[in-house]
Amino acid sequence: QSVLTQPPSASVTPGQRVTISCSGGSSNIGNNYVHWYQQLPGAAPKLLIYRNHQRPSGVPDRFSGSKSGTSASLAISGLRSEDEAQYFCAAWDDSLSGVVFGGGTKLTVL
Amino acid sequence: QVQLQESGPGLVKPSETLSLTCTVSGGSISGYYWSWIRQPPGKGLEWIGFIYYNGGTDYNPSLKSRVTISADTSKNQLSLNLRSVTAADTAVYHCARDGVGGQPLQPWGQGTLVTVSS
Repeated sequence: QSVLTQPPSASVTPGQRVTISCSGGSSNIGNNYVHWYQQLPGAAPKLLIYRNHQRPSGVPDRFSGSKSGTSASLAISGLRSEDEAQYFCAAWDDSLSGVVFGGGTKLTVL
Repeated sequence: QVQLQESGPGLVKPSETLSLTCTVSGGSISGYYWSWIRQPPGKGLEWIGFIYYNGGTDYNPSLKSRVTISADTSKNQLSLNLRSVTAADTAVYHCARDGVGGQPLQPWGQGTLVTVSS
């Protein structure tokens, strides 16, 4: 069981907006940055959002992140078929002195 | 751009040692932390541990007694050794840069599947 909690799946139609949640605790999300990754089948995970809401160069502004207390969210607007992937959150955990992850959310674009 | 590639045996027998190498190209391992992460089939990601390029390490307490991570700056490679493996160690193993103290893991290697079976 993952330390951070995400919904296992989400389904949306093209053009719509989806929000994926990530819930943790005071030792991880509550006190540290949250990062979001996208993983396409058979590919390396790709950094999508870092430090709660920052986008790396090349990531479209359709992707946005936010954090409040011990929870964080990834929002994707104007969904496209190529957004169909696994999305997972991660954060440093002060108790573990290591990285903890969400279980991942499989996004299906219908 | 920096690229990471994991390599090693895809099949390991129970009780033996799992040994993987992560080759870094397009940049030096010097000056950075490097992490190993694994994902068992159908399950979430698990942080294994990290190494600083000069050799300093830290490991997930759940694996600490069985794992060793090392770095070879001359070859620009990282290594992972996991001793006394069982079927529960079957997973896709990834290496990635950084991840320490709140820094994001970026980039990642594609990962390599290791199956523990007799």
